[in-house]
Amino acid sequence: DIQMTQSPAFVSASIGDTVTIACQAGQDISGWLAWYQHKPGKAPQLLIYAASTLRSGVPSRFSGSRSGADFTLTIRDLQPEDFATYYCQQAQSFPPTFGQGTRLE
Amino acid sequence: EAQLVESGGGLIQPGGSLRLSCVVSGFTVGNNYMSWVRQAPGKGLEWVSGLYSSGATYYAESVQGRFIISRDNSKNALHLQMNSLRVGDTALYFCVKVFQPGWYFDLWGRGSLVSVSA
Repeated sequence: DIQMTQSPAFVSASIGDTVTIACQAGQDISGWLAWYQHKPGKAPQLLIYAASTLRSGVPSRFSGSRSGADFTLTIRDLQPEDFATYYCQQAQSFPPTFGQGTRLE
Repeated sequence: EAQLVESGGGLIQPGGSLRLSCVVSGFTVGNNYMSWVRQAPGKGLEWVSGLYSSGATYYAESVQGRFIISRDNSKNALHLQMNSLRVGDTALYFCVKVFQPGWYFDLWGRGSLVSVSA
């Protein structure tokens, strides 16, 4: 299984800040990476797929990038509704695997 | 708007069985790849099982031989039969639609809680 290493585990930020979350794949996954947002008691939401493609309806303050096996989720101009846990996931190799999550508080 | 609603979770003793159901509206289960993903308390997300539109099934090593994924096209529903349950299977189980190509999960339910405890 491909291990996904996500950092940091926790990040503290304020409204209007810019936050970056990192995810490293244990082996080459090309651009087969997704980012999800999860709030307690709610269904997780797909934000970005193929490393940098914003899902329809997701605010443009969310963006994803890739450099080799390193991936980054950037959230600009943090809004109150953005405080949640974020997960990366590799979609290239079976079985699909997730990072450990980053809690944005 | 598409919706996935899970049910069937509960408290069960080790070695017991449970059957989770996921009723879907807004798209056809039989025409899509579907999965179950779980989240143990305080832990991250773990893919559990997948069902292709062709009928092919896939399982994580941790549940292989104990869990069975299936669908009921007449009810537009997905099921997960969980047998020989272990304490380590305690988790919130999400029903998920797979977005192809690749294994992207584009629609999720809110989950059904399974607690395995003596």
